[in-house]
Amino acid sequence: EVQLVESGGGLVQPGGSLRLACAASEFTPGTYWMHWVRQAPGKGLVWVSLIKSDGTTTSYADSVKGRFTMSRDNAKNTVYLQMNSLRVEDTAVYYCVRDLIGASGQWGQGTLVTVSS
Amino acid sequence: DVVMTQSPLSLPVTLGQPASISCRSSQSLVYSDGNTYLSWFQQRPGHSPRRLIYKVSNRDSGVPDRFSGSGSGTDFTLKISGVEAEDVGVYYCMQGTYWPLTFGGGTKVEI
Repeated sequence: EVQLVESGGGLVQPGGSLRLACAASEFTPGTYWMHWVRQAPGKGLVWVSLIKSDGTTTSYADSVKGRFTMSRDNAKNTVYLQMNSLRVEDTAVYYCVRDLIGASGQWGQGTLVTVSS
Repeated sequence: DVVMTQSPLSLPVTLGQPASISCRSSQSLVYSDGNTYLSWFQQRPGHSPRRLIYKVSNRDSGVPDRFSGSGSGTDFTLKISGVEAEDVGVYYCMQGTYWPLTFGGGTKVEI
């Protein structure tokens, strides 16, 4: 069964950094476009970033552009989200998603990021 | 950015009865490859989202056939032919034609 397992969330102070990881089982992330989507407490879904299947292209929401970087390591079947200069408004559950718009969609269980002093 | 507008915000339903959610986009979602990248997601209380429908009308694996999607251009609909108790939750539409990808605000389905 395909599984996506996120890790790396936690409590961080404003201005701090975190790196989220998304480990994939039963498939290689490099075969699919991968995305991060977040959900602030009690709020709706917001797309954050994507990385193309061949890793040549990334794209980001304006709210995180210049602060977040998405990458992948095919040898470890893992995609990452490096989050710098974190703000209180970045507090959310972050979901790793495979193939958000295609035929092979799959969501992880999410990891909570809390930015607070 | 493409704005996705869902209605209603809240949908009281009766078990066994049909239900319908509307989603409208601020511009046509037809991509240059001819596909329309409109998806529907369900989020049950306390759970991760789960996709139900992709490219307007394609059901994901394991999704009951009481769920169906339709529409074109800027106007889309998710229908539940007969609501079951497990269908309670929030439903979101999302467009994947343009970057940034954008979600609708959600429709809460409650018994």
